[in-house]
Amino acid sequence: DAKTTQPPSMDCAEGRAANLPCNHSTISGNEYVYWYRQIHSQGPQYIIHGLKNNETNEMASLIITEDRKSSTLILPHATLRDTAVYYCIVRVDGSSGDKLTFGTGTRLAVRP
Amino acid sequence: SQTIHQWPATLVQPVGSPLSLECTVEGTSNPNLYWYRQAAGRGLQLLFYSVGIGQISSEVPQNLSASRPQDRQFILSSKKLLLSDSGFYLCAWLSPPGLAGRRYNEQFFGPGTRLTVL
Repeated sequence: DAKTTQPPSMDCAEGRAANLPCNHSTISGNEYVYWYRQIHSQGPQYIIHGLKNNETNEMASLIITEDRKSSTLILPHATLRDTAVYYCIVRVDGSSGDKLTFGTGTRLAVRP
Repeated sequence: SQTIHQWPATLVQPVGSPLSLECTVEGTSNPNLYWYRQAAGRGLQLLFYSVGIGQISSEVPQNLSASRPQDRQFILSSKKLLLSDSGFYLCAWLSPPGLAGRRYNEQFFGPGTRLTVL
């Protein structure tokens, strides 16, 4: 699986958009970009994933650059409950073992 | 619906003692199962994964071992714990293709076991 690079920490004001960047310059053509988040003392929770098109769901939006070397997770209206560590992961769907390799992620602090 | 259970929730063990953490999944069959460890203030480290009964892949060399005696049971063990084994242990399963109500290849995590080795 390709490796990812994320800033160690970010903060944003409650009610504003949180934009979390991720670099994955060695991503392969068949690798998807996944985002998970981990609230303190809980297991990670799936947020969103995509291949090359931008994606949106009830939690967030995912913007993937045209060259697929980076992506941005957008939380449109951050709340205090969004304070968590956010992990960006790339992997091939359907690969043997289907491993998810987590890095250290970005610690997002949403301030009141 | 599918659920994943881990126990115990917390554990304090002396150095050199054995360890057995259990994880079970309900509501699905033949899931891929995973053990992760998270040291304090660190990211998640994949320890083991299993694609079927008796099939274990180890990601990092260590004094831990894993076993899958039944389809939906995954066990993490150690014969002698080290101080460095302290951490938050998470079991996870991966939704297979076609599982009703689940995104393909979404990984679901259990509540975790917080292990302190003294």
